[in-house]
Amino acid sequence: AQKVTQAQTEISVVEKEDVTLDCVYETRDTTYYLFWYKQPPSGELVFLIRRNSFDEQNEISGRYSWNFQKSTSSFNFTITASQVVDSAVYFCALSENQAGTALIFGKGTTLSVSS
Amino acid sequence: KAGVTQTPRYLIKTRGQQVTLSCSPISGHRSVSWYQQTPGQGLQFLFEYFSETQRNKGNFPGRFSGRQFSNSRSEMNVSTLELGDSALYLCASSLDSGRAGEQFFGPGTRLTVL
Repeated sequence: AQKVTQAQTEISVVEKEDVTLDCVYETRDTTYYLFWYKQPPSGELVFLIRRNSFDEQNEISGRYSWNFQKSTSSFNFTITASQVVDSAVYFCALSENQAGTALIFGKGTTLSVSS
Repeated sequence: KAGVTQTPRYLIKTRGQQVTLSCSPISGHRSVSWYQQTPGQGLQFLFEYFSETQRNKGNFPGRFSGRQFSNSRSEMNVSTLELGDSALYLCASSLDSGRAGEQFFGPGTRLTVL
C-alpha cells in the first residue's frame, strides 16, 4: 500500500543553520510523483516542488534543495541558512496517478526557526 | 489570477446536521480535489472531480459526497455530522493538461461540530 513517512515531527533550529527534512515513501507503482508543500501559520498550503519517479536529478532553488533517491525511497528536503520565515509545517506527498492528484500526505514536520 | 476560493471560511454545526462546503477553482482549472485535515489523522484525500465526474476517491464513508458543476466549481456535502468531522477542509485545483502538475490549495473551511 502507498504510504509517506515523515519521521521528524518537530525540528527547532537557530537562524542560519542548515536543516534537512526527511521523507520516505512506499509505493508499488513504477510511475509516481512526489511533492513538498509548506503550510505557514496562515494555514494555506504552498507548493514547493514536484518530482517524477523517473527523474532522479536533484534540484536546487535558492536556499532550498531536494535529494531524491529511488534506491532508498527517499525524497529529502534541505533548507540552507534557515530564516525565521521558514517556520512552518512541511508536508511530503505522493501521487500515483498521471494527473498528480489524490495526494497521499505524510504527517508533516513542524520547523521552528528562532532568531 | 485569482486563487482557489472556499466558502464559508468558518462553520459551526451540531451533531446530526448536514453541511455543504463550496470551492471555486482557479480559472481554467478542471480538476478539483478535497482534503480533510485534522490534528490526529493529518491531511487525508477525500475525492477528486474532473469534468463533473468523480475521478478518484479516498477512504471516507458515504456520508461524504461531492459534485462538480460545468464551470468547474465544486461542492462537498457531509451528512449526519459527527464530532470527528470537525476539521479543516481544503480544496485544491489543478490544470490537468495531461501532465502531472501542482495542485493549488485554497484557504480551507474550518468546520466545528458540537
